[in-house]
Amino acid sequence: IAGITQAPTSQILAAGRRMTLRCTQDMRHNAMYWYRQDLGLGLRLIHYSNTAGTTGKGEVPDGYSVSRANTDDFPLTLASAVPSQTSVYFCASSDSTGGNQPQHFGDGTRLSIL
Amino acid sequence: GEDVEQSLFLSVREGDSSVINCTYTDSSSTYLYWYKQEPGAGLQLLTYIFSNMDMKQDQRLTVLLNKKDKHLSLRIADTQTGDSAIYFCAENSGYSTLTFGKGTMLLVSP
Repeated sequence: IAGITQAPTSQILAAGRRMTLRCTQDMRHNAMYWYRQDLGLGLRLIHYSNTAGTTGKGEVPDGYSVSRANTDDFPLTLASAVPSQTSVYFCASSDSTGGNQPQHFGDGTRLSIL
Repeated sequence: GEDVEQSLFLSVREGDSSVINCTYTDSSSTYLYWYKQEPGAGLQLLTYIFSNMDMKQDQRLTVLLNKKDKHLSLRIADTQTGDSAIYFCAENSGYSTLTFGKGTMLLVSP
């Protein structure tokens, strides 16, 4: 089934550890996004990529990094995890920039930092 | 900056209509979206409306847009228990990123 695959589904991580959340899409969408969802705060954009080879900062980029080596993959890395990064992380993609380009979401990664 | 506001909670009885409201601040918004999130899942696109439209109907869903007041609403006719979820309003200001509201939790009781 075409769509977005995120891995892992959930993870418990010790503070200070490095963690990479994986996101792969098979729709050949140009743009990809990472959000975190926290109770009472809704979805907040962490980083995005409008096309392979380019990335941009969203609303809450600190403590996170991304790369976009190819069209399909958009990993999110926490270099040194802190408890405030406990959240549900969603990856999304859209066909292009501008115009009517609704975003399609993965099922999320639930991350707990202890 | 851009801001999208929604009421946090709505409770209705099965068979009634539900109306979820949203206000936004960016007058340059070109498309506005409604997403649905069921427990433990990602966001699913429900419907969208272009900013030069006043209304869009899609089966049980009706979207109304008042561009002057920057007000968007989603009406669900004949609400079912399966409609219980969190509903997010989002706006696209012409580039790829969306600004989301904090979500409205809809609870449908039998």
